[in-house]
Amino acid sequence: NAGVMQNPRHLVRRRGQEARLRCSPMKGHSHVYWYRQLPEEGLKFMVYLQKENIIDESGMPKERFSAEFPKEGPSILRIQQVVRGDSAAYFCASSPSRDGAGELFFGEGSRLTVL
Amino acid sequence: GQSLEQPSEVTAVEGAIVQINCTYQTSGFYGLSWYQQHDGGAPTFLSYNGLDGLEETGRFSSFLSRSDSYGYLLLQELQMKDSASYFCAVISNTGKLIFGQGTTLQVKP
Repeated sequence: NAGVMQNPRHLVRRRGQEARLRCSPMKGHSHVYWYRQLPEEGLKFMVYLQKENIIDESGMPKERFSAEFPKEGPSILRIQQVVRGDSAAYFCASSPSRDGAGELFFGEGSRLTVL
Repeated sequence: GQSLEQPSEVTAVEGAIVQINCTYQTSGFYGLSWYQQHDGGAPTFLSYNGLDGLEETGRFSSFLSRSDSYGYLLLQELQMKDSASYFCAVISNTGKLIFGQGTTLQVKP
């Protein structure tokens, strides 16, 4: 049973380009979370999604950032017109249900570098 | 809003016991979890408390007092491989999980 899969593991973009980060949750998990982490800092909540629904996006910047979790396929975190401050590790986590939120399963992260 | 406080660094020696405290402020509290992260890798789940009291899982135990908005992670028989960052995380009744800033544990020989 594969764990949470994130790709790409490393992504380099120039300022103004778009970054797309993908997350395939564990089999049977319909709840996905995205977190951002800067070096030596904590995991900052961005968005919580269930299949086809955004449950809580209170941690997402209002501009340039969007997330989706379609009925079929992986969850996508999209960052438009990237800036240097977007450079960070982006972690995805999944759980089978809202009640299972106490135990999240994390992917290895996608490390975005903006030049 | 939600906020969590935990010490930024803790140092201990091999074989010792260490306690990492976490205090939180939140609305709609559902539970408290603990995660371990090595060198910026994937965080891994350690323990969860939904009710007051102690949960024990091998060398790791976690405690919660809802009335005090306080919890702790207890690590016993410390090993060098326990050197890592430890995060407490509050789960709200909407399923949202907010992490603290993390505690870096350094285990010395």
